[in-house]
Amino acid sequence: EIVLTQSPATLSLSPGERATLSCRASQDISFYLAWYQQRPGQAPRLLIYDAYNRATGIPARFSGSRSGTDFTLTISSLEPEDFAVYYCQQRSTWPLTFGQGTKLEIK
Amino acid sequence: QITLKESGPTLVKPTQTLTLTCTFSGFSLSTSGVGVAWIRQPPSKALEWLAFIYWNDDKRYSPSLKTRLTITKDTSKNQVVLTLANMDPVDTATYFCAYSLRNNYFDPWGQGTLVTVSS
Repeated sequence: EIVLTQSPATLSLSPGERATLSCRASQDISFYLAWYQQRPGQAPRLLIYDAYNRATGIPARFSGSRSGTDFTLTISSLEPEDFAVYYCQQRSTWPLTFGQGTKLEIK
Repeated sequence: QITLKESGPTLVKPTQTLTLTCTFSGFSLSTSGVGVAWIRQPPSKALEWLAFIYWNDDKRYSPSLKTRLTITKDTSKNQVVLTLANMDPVDTATYFCAYSLRNNYFDPWGQGTLVTVSS
């Protein structure tokens, strides 16, 4: 099973700042990684798929990148609605797995 | 517009079998490449993928729960049913169903349904 390790567990930033969230895979998953946002009391929402591609309707301030088994979600300038929990998910190998999440909180 | 909604009991007793239904609209599970998955989330914890069913009736299960899980589809009713046998308090979670098209990512998701396991 592929383990996804997200860091940091909690990230405290202010609106307007840049956020960088990390997800490391325990083995090569190529670019087969997605990022989801989950606001309190809501279902997750797909933000980025296949490492780089924004899902339909996702603002351009969200971007994804990859370096080997390290993946990054960047939010260029935080809006108030961006404070939420973010999960990564791999589809390279069964079983599908998620990271443990990063909570992005207001500083 | 694709929508999904989960339904089922909110409370089950230990050892009972949980049956959840995902009723969807905006797509057909007979369309090539389409799949529906179940994912759960214990309170304040991370997401866990459980099962997947595809348009061609191919099925995938989480290895850790495979012996307890069954996923089926009723294309005519636009429903996917998940059963989880031998429920335990650790199975207390919000259960989500979600749509996937050809890529095993989940978009969109249903609103989720909270299931509590307690005697």
